[in-house]
Amino acid sequence: DSGVTQTPKHLITATGQRVTLRCSPRSGDLSVYWYQQSLDQGLQFLIQYYNGEERAKGNILERFSAQQFPDLHSELNLSSLELGDSALYFCASSGPPGRGSYNEQFFGPGTRLTVL
Amino acid sequence: GEDVEQSLFLSVREGDSSVINCTYTDSSSTYLYWYKQEPGAGLQLLTYIFSNMDMKQDQRLTVLLNKKDKHLSLRIADTQTGDSAIYFCAESSTGFQKLVFGTGTRLLVSP
Repeated sequence: DSGVTQTPKHLITATGQRVTLRCSPRSGDLSVYWYQQSLDQGLQFLIQYYNGEERAKGNILERFSAQQFPDLHSELNLSSLELGDSALYFCASSGPPGRGSYNEQFFGPGTRLTVL
Repeated sequence: GEDVEQSLFLSVREGDSSVINCTYTDSSSTYLYWYKQEPGAGLQLLTYIFSNMDMKQDQRLTVLLNKKDKHLSLRIADTQTGDSAIYFCAESSTGFQKLVFGTGTRLLVSP
């Protein structure tokens, strides 16, 4: 158990809908990262937040957005869903600078999204 | 650009050593990681190496880094059936940035 939690574990929805994925980082970690794992694209970085602020953006579609709240949990919002958005979405967290886990990203169990 | 490549599949017998290879293109890669993913599970961080190191050993795991050739390997000694999983190599320009992952190597360990 990495200490990173994600809900829900599975999500099945229809095209055009909007969903919210939730992540709680490990205790004390300030950085949250979102990744998408799909068969055709592999594991791709979407976005990173650090202590509530967006820090880096990767291959994140405009239909997707994220935020990190004051309690450091994060949400990934996916809207106008398409069939191709079906994937495993992972959240990871890492410690603040100066802490041993600063260089290590610990992953949650993922949310499997199926768009029908 | 950033690109990380791995062979797709490796099959070994229980008790043998496994060597999983990875090549990367980004010369600014500072940290190189190995993650393990079991079916239906998340990614488990196995180990990582800083770019100024050639080797790191952690129990049954040995990581070798050839920075000149941009080649990373993970050796698993005395491979067990429980080691069957997908192994991902990943790189980061610093320890505080996105990970760029390889395609993953599926390791199958037969009894």
